[in-house]
Amino acid sequence: AQTVTQSQPEMSVQEAETVTLSCTYDTSENNYYLFWYKQPPSRQMILVIRQEAYKQQNATENRFSVNFQKAAKSFSLKISDSQLGDTAMYFCAFTAPLSGSARQLTFGSGTQLTVLP
Amino acid sequence: KAGVTQTPRYLIKTRGQQVTLSCSPISGHRSVSWYQQTPGQGLQFLFEYFSETQRNKGNFPGRFSGRQFSNSRSEMNVSTLELGDSALYLCASSTPGQGAYEQYFGPGTRLTVT
Repeated sequence: AQTVTQSQPEMSVQEAETVTLSCTYDTSENNYYLFWYKQPPSRQMILVIRQEAYKQQNATENRFSVNFQKAAKSFSLKISDSQLGDTAMYFCAFTAPLSGSARQLTFGSGTQLTVLP
Repeated sequence: KAGVTQTPRYLIKTRGQQVTLSCSPISGHRSVSWYQQTPGQGLQFLFEYFSETQRNKGNFPGRFSGRQFSNSRSEMNVSTLELGDSALYLCASSTPGQGAYEQYFGPGTRLTVT
């Protein structure tokens, strides 16, 4: 079974600053996908970024980038130039297509990020 | 494209009753997954449907069931409601293509059991 761990329940950052959210996972699979989702107060779950395990290059989406360390099973999210609208709960998620559960996401417990003005 | 829609957005039910929640996926998406979100247990996978067939099921009692229609719309049903079933129920859809494993979520249905 796969597990995803987010060890930072809460974090805060000043507007325009950079913040990094941590995520570690445990799996015996070699082919898998990792995601970061954000859930603002509206409760709408929004995909932020994805990373394929077979790709060595770290994914980037505008102000969001990841640091994917496959050997260490670490997948952190860096948010640059933080904005007030980034205030949300952030979830790290995992799926392993070849395990027969390609559409089953395993989520971490979440990190509540607050951007301070 | 329209996003994933879920109805109703809010529900209040009494213990022992049953409830049906509905989810319409993004056009062209044939896979629909359901998740339960609670403060204590976090986000937990319920089940996934593809082409009207349940492909995968999480660790939930048989009171939780679902189905998918030919137009990919999905419903989930909870029978004999318990207080612990109070949660945000999220539906997500994804394309069937290889490599496209990200899921897109609806706004959720907030179920309160009293």
